[in-house]
Amino acid sequence: GDSVTQMEGPVTLSEEAFLTINCTYTATGYPSLFWYVQYPGEGLQLLLKATKADDKGSNKGFEATYRKETTSFHLEKGSVQVSDSAVYFCALIGGSNYKLTFGKGTLLTVNP
Amino acid sequence: NAGVTQTPKFQVLKTGQSMTLQCAQDMNHEYMSWYRQDPGMGLRLIHYSVGAGITDQGEVPNGYNVSRSTTEDFPLRLLSAAPSQTSVYFCASSSKGQMNTGELFFGEGSRLTVL
Repeated sequence: GDSVTQMEGPVTLSEEAFLTINCTYTATGYPSLFWYVQYPGEGLQLLLKATKADDKGSNKGFEATYRKETTSFHLEKGSVQVSDSAVYFCALIGGSNYKLTFGKGTLLTVNP
Repeated sequence: NAGVTQTPKFQVLKTGQSMTLQCAQDMNHEYMSWYRQDPGMGLRLIHYSVGAGITDQGEVPNGYNVSRSTTEDFPLRLLSAAPSQTSVYFCASSSKGQMNTGELFFGEGSRLTVL
């Protein structure tokens, strides 16, 4: 079945540092890939997505590129802020089903 | 806009008690689902529905029942709570078109503790 493996945290960075959170996946067919973010005390919200190979999703300074050859979708940001502190989830949806498969989440803490 | 509304936000139960977590959305979304979030496990799909009168099981359905009598509501029932059901529960919804692109709209969560 489909699965998502992402870098285990927690990750602690200083403000303005570079962020990478690794994500790899296993899926049949050609899945769409996503990053969701969960701020403290809130539900998840979609951060960015990519629906085909070599697509780059971007939002709020975050980027991720759909790499079919390495089955990866790593999340990056050039300069993190304290307000980026949250849990980040990599996810995929495969085929024509209605099931989103999530990774375990990575807690990011950014210190001033 | 209310979006996806979950009640209650917090609940403590004793083993064997029953309860219902409520979920309502005002976006006329066809798709609704329930996830549970546990430390180190990410989010796991419990049940989902693609329209009124249609429900299906997700990854971890045991111990939970659902029904979808209206487009707006998708309650999750625990008939006999167990400590293993201690978790944070999220309801999520989407339109069919948005679901095809994986965009779910989540509620704020319901934290359940079973003693």
